Amino acid sequence: EAGVAQSPRYKIIEKRQSVAFWCNPISGHATLYWYQQILGQGPKLLIQFQNNGVVDDSQLPKDRFSAERLKGVDSTLKIQPAKLEDSAVYLCASVTSPAADTQYFGPGTRLTVL
Amino acid sequence: DQQVKQNSPSLSVQEGRISILNCDYTNSMFDYFLWYKKYPAEGPTFLISISSIKDKNEDGRFTVFLNKSAKHLSLHIVPSQPGDSAVYFCAARADDYKLSFGAGTTVTVRA
Repeated sequence: EAGVAQSPRYKIIEKRQSVAFWCNPISGHATLYWYQQILGQGPKLLIQFQNNGVVDDSQLPKDRFSAERLKGVDSTLKIQPAKLEDSAVYLCASVTSPAADTQYFGPGTRLTVL
Repeated sequence: DQQVKQNSPSLSVQEGRISILNCDYTNSMFDYFLWYKKYPAEGPTFLISISSIKDKNEDGRFTVFLNKSAKHLSLHIVPSQPGDSAVYFCAARADDYKLSFGAGTTVTVRA
């Protein structure tokens, strides 16, 4: 079974530029999460999708971050414009349902904002 | 606010000895706890979990202990192996199923 795929793996941009990350969850997983992991901290939930609908985006900085999962499969997370403090690893995770025992994480995208 | 805390950023242990990782939480509504392991440039992978109705769960070399009254859990790795060198995250969730993570503990197993 293929795992959660993410691309790109690394991205370096200058502040005020835009960037987009892509995630393809495990086949059949209806629930998809985006996390932000800042160096030295644990992952922090940004947004949760159930199929193509948003369940929770309370921690998403909506003035600059946006995410979509139009067909209920893969998802994109966008930052526009980026700030220095957005430098982090962005992790995507998926699960069959929120009550499942564990979430499955992708390798993450490491973003550096200069 | 940090609801899950791992107060030891790092742990160094000799191969063959026991590794003990600690985790404290503040939210009494948490009822399910997980440990994840993370290697560099990879995403976290699930290691072991425990429900609040239990006080111990064992899987091979890994055992998790839960002390609900103290709001404390620990992960024991016996014996420690070089491949166990990684960052370990403690996570907890309540009935909303959202995970709250600690900051992680970096374990280094010395040969």
